[in-house]
Amino acid sequence: GAGVSQSPSNKVTEKGKDVELRCDPISGHTALYWYRQSLGQGLEFLIYFQGNSAPDKSGLPSDRFSAERTGGSVSTLTIQRTQQEDSAVYLCASSLAGQGIYGYTFGSGTRLTVV
Amino acid sequence: KNEVEQSPQNLTAQEGEFITINCSYSVGISALHWLQQHPGGGIVSLFMLSSGKKKHGRLIATINIQEKHSSLHITASHPRDSAVYICAVGEAGTASKLTFGTGTRLQVTL
Repeated sequence: GAGVSQSPSNKVTEKGKDVELRCDPISGHTALYWYRQSLGQGLEFLIYFQGNSAPDKSGLPSDRFSAERTGGSVSTLTIQRTQQEDSAVYLCASSLAGQGIYGYTFGSGTRLTVV
Repeated sequence: KNEVEQSPQNLTAQEGEFITINCSYSVGISALHWLQQHPGGGIVSLFMLSSGKKKHGRLIATINIQEKHSSLHITASHPRDSAVYICAVGEAGTASKLTFGTGTRLQVTL
């Protein structure tokens, strides 16, 4: 597609439920990143994919968080047993390749509210 | 101490003013990014720099690698420039993720 597409744009869920957030990167971009922006906080890194593999998942805050990428394209971030502190905007970005030598294109984010 | 520090945190300017936002970082980098985030909106990449200076319209970004410092300038500011401006660095060696500053909230008034 023309840009990075994320869905849903907004998600309200009850504490304890599982949620899936989707990211569809720019076609041909091999690098894909998930970031999180909590209210009043800066952006923090969650996980990086190069193709279908995740060489850096150091930012995932707990084992309730997981992500996968299939076909070198769409990625899904799953949060199990959601907690109120998971409420944040989850942003996806893609890049032509990793190594940080290409620019990033960000999606519009998914605003997650856990009630 | 954060690896990426921005100043000021908040900035109010009148239309037409020249604006400067500063970013200092403490790690070796492969590139530095300036990003723009409008309220309720996504993030737009403005510049990616590894040296020197870049210009796009009324926006200018400079970087001094030796001093580990970058500036974003906005000339002839306009209310539509109101947004949060975020500095982010891709660390040398890892380069698989960005480390972000906390952002500068800019409000340009008429």
